[in-house]
Amino acid sequence: QQPVQSPQAVILREGEDAVINCSSSKALYSVHWYRQKHGEAPVFLMILLKGGEQKGHDKISASFNEKKQQSSLYLTASQLSYSGTYFCGTEIGSGAGSYQLTFGKGTKLSVIP
Amino acid sequence: NAGVMQNPRHLVRRRGQEARLRCSPMKGHSHVYWYRQLPEEGLKFMVYLQKENIIDESGMPKERFSAEFPKEGPSILRIQQVVRGDSAAYFCASTGQRADTQYFGPGTRLTVL
Repeated sequence: QQPVQSPQAVILREGEDAVINCSSSKALYSVHWYRQKHGEAPVFLMILLKGGEQKGHDKISASFNEKKQQSSLYLTASQLSYSGTYFCGTEIGSGAGSYQLTFGKGTKLSVIP
Repeated sequence: NAGVMQNPRHLVRRRGQEARLRCSPMKGHSHVYWYRQLPEEGLKFMVYLQKENIIDESGMPKERFSAEFPKEGPSILRIQQVVRGDSAAYFCASTGQRADTQYFGPGTRLTVL
């Protein structure tokens, strides 16, 4: 039931792009993306609801393919501040008031100068 | 506009002692979720509470763990007779409505000696 994230870790130079994937074996209602820096709280990035929408702000965007039960997070022109561990949290089933998020193990992103 | 508050930030207990972790949700929020995070792992759902009600405790061990969210005051996660395996970071999150974006507190890092 835990979503699978890939890659587990990635190292980027400033300005490079990255894609982080989140896959589930269950039908998804929504996907939530968070970034966590070491020793800090997870910080909310965005929610995607089923419907195949794509969202984004600044240089971070995400897509949700409900047929494939997969979401991807896109980071473009990476900055040093993007470093951290990215988690996807998934709501399975029909949702509509569901609340229980199941998180993947995370993708550790390191941006170097 | 204070976010989700947790205290203490760090807690050290000897085996057999009790641990009490507190969470004050964001202002205006009445839904609280507790998660446990082991090193290099994702967040695992433990319990979901509203004021004076436990809505879902399916992720919480049946023994030694309990949670409450009284009408007044913070939500409390209580671990009795702690064991070394309880060592982890415990995060709480809050929402204004069920199934809204979950905003996380800074966490309590519990170490059991």
